[in-house]
Amino acid sequence: QLQLQESGPGLVKPSETLSLLCTVSGGSIDSSSYYWGWIRQPPGKGLEWIGNIYYIGNTYYNPSLKSRITISVDTSKNQFSLKLNSATATDTAVYYCARWRRGTNHFDYWGQGTLVTVSS
Amino acid sequence: QSVLTQPPSVSGAPGQRVTISCTGSSSNIGANFEVHWYQQLPGTAPKLLIYDNNNRPSGVPDRFSGSKSGTSASLAITGLQAEDEADYYCQSYDGSLSGVVFGGGTKLTVL
Repeated sequence: QLQLQESGPGLVKPSETLSLLCTVSGGSIDSSSYYWGWIRQPPGKGLEWIGNIYYIGNTYYNPSLKSRITISVDTSKNQFSLKLNSATATDTAVYYCARWRRGTNHFDYWGQGTLVTVSS
Repeated sequence: QSVLTQPPSVSGAPGQRVTISCTGSSSNIGANFEVHWYQQLPGTAPKLLIYDNNNRPSGVPDRFSGSKSGTSASLAITGLQAEDEADYYCQSYDGSLSGVVFGGGTKLTVL
């Protein structure tokens, strides 16, 4: 059974970089059938797509966040990561990593999520 | 504001049927991109409920069904149960934005 697990600091100071890691187990990240993505959910609000990455490094970002985010992949560790710079309080959210099925364009497996608070 | 529009809330009594709408535009649902639905139980991660407009992943009861027409889609839940109380999100792809789009979410209350 595929599992995804987010990890990283739960508290980030304003203007600093938010960094998260997603570790994939029970399956290989270098499958040609999938992308790997990040989604976030501010407290009490809806879901917002952040971006996706393919195992060879191709990335697709939300245009509204594109200038501040970098998603990268490490196939040797079966992990992918998110960096969001110049964090502000509006970036406070539960961050999810998920597997994106190519072709049909949906997320079929999700991590449990990790809350990141941006505050001094 | 979300690119896909959903009602903020719906409700129904146990055993009843409810529907949740998801309205898009000619650059997403109307452009023939598939619609998918997720169920988010309180305090948990979203779970895929319906994919490709009307397909259920293994383990999802057939009480849940999806449909799509024009620039809109719908999720129907029949035989409503207390355990169905959750937030529901629709999702598609937008060709103009070149990205994934979600609806704002609908809170289902089982009376």
